[in-house]
Amino acid sequence: RKEVEQDPGPFNVPEGATVAFNCTYSNSASQSFFWYRQDCRKEPKLLMSVYSSGNEDGRFTAQLNRASQYISLLIRDSKLSDSATYLCVVALNYGQNFVFGPGTRLSVLP
Amino acid sequence: NAGVTQTPKFRVLKTGQSMTLLCAQDMNHEYMYWYRQDPGMGLRLIHYSVGEGTTAKGEVPDGYNVSRLKKQNFLLGLESAAPSQTSVYFCASSQAGMIGYTFGSGTRLTVV
Repeated sequence: RKEVEQDPGPFNVPEGATVAFNCTYSNSASQSFFWYRQDCRKEPKLLMSVYSSGNEDGRFTAQLNRASQYISLLIRDSKLSDSATYLCVVALNYGQNFVFGPGTRLSVLP
Repeated sequence: NAGVTQTPKFRVLKTGQSMTLLCAQDMNHEYMYWYRQDPGMGLRLIHYSVGEGTTAKGEVPDGYNVSRLKKQNFLLGLESAAPSQTSVYFCASSQAGMIGYTFGSGTRLTVV
């Protein structure tokens, strides 16, 4: 079993749609969780951290369920500019040795 | 702008040739990493360093060597390139307690 698994995708959605991505991790000792965004042929960039209480940043909401070892990302009111690959990232410690999921590609269509 | 700089951005090698990829960061980060990214495989850790003069193996270290002689630089070497090493290579840096990695813009390497 891979350490971090994600929905295989791709997701093709119309503008304005709500889309949810799922991620599971295998190491129960993991302490920090993130979502990264990677545009085509670019480097990954931090989208948001994920906290147990859940957190929101504008149209983006991230949730963490430690008991189920599950992370989610919800994007509301999708924009064309949201088209990218979304990477789930898990680490044992802050700032060190991240493990990246394979990514889920999102295409938002006009 | 502060950040992580990778050189070169593109390179084509012949099988058996050697090369060194350079990663430089100006944020005084302790930790530096080299990843490779292949279609459908995600980012896989090659080697990493937790400080000047230290290196450690990651998930896919075979065929690569690294050095961290200066805190700001992390070098990735291919001694005898193979077509299986065709990939996009990303360098990243971080600091303990800091949220997130800072990535370089990547090096696209093709081995023919």
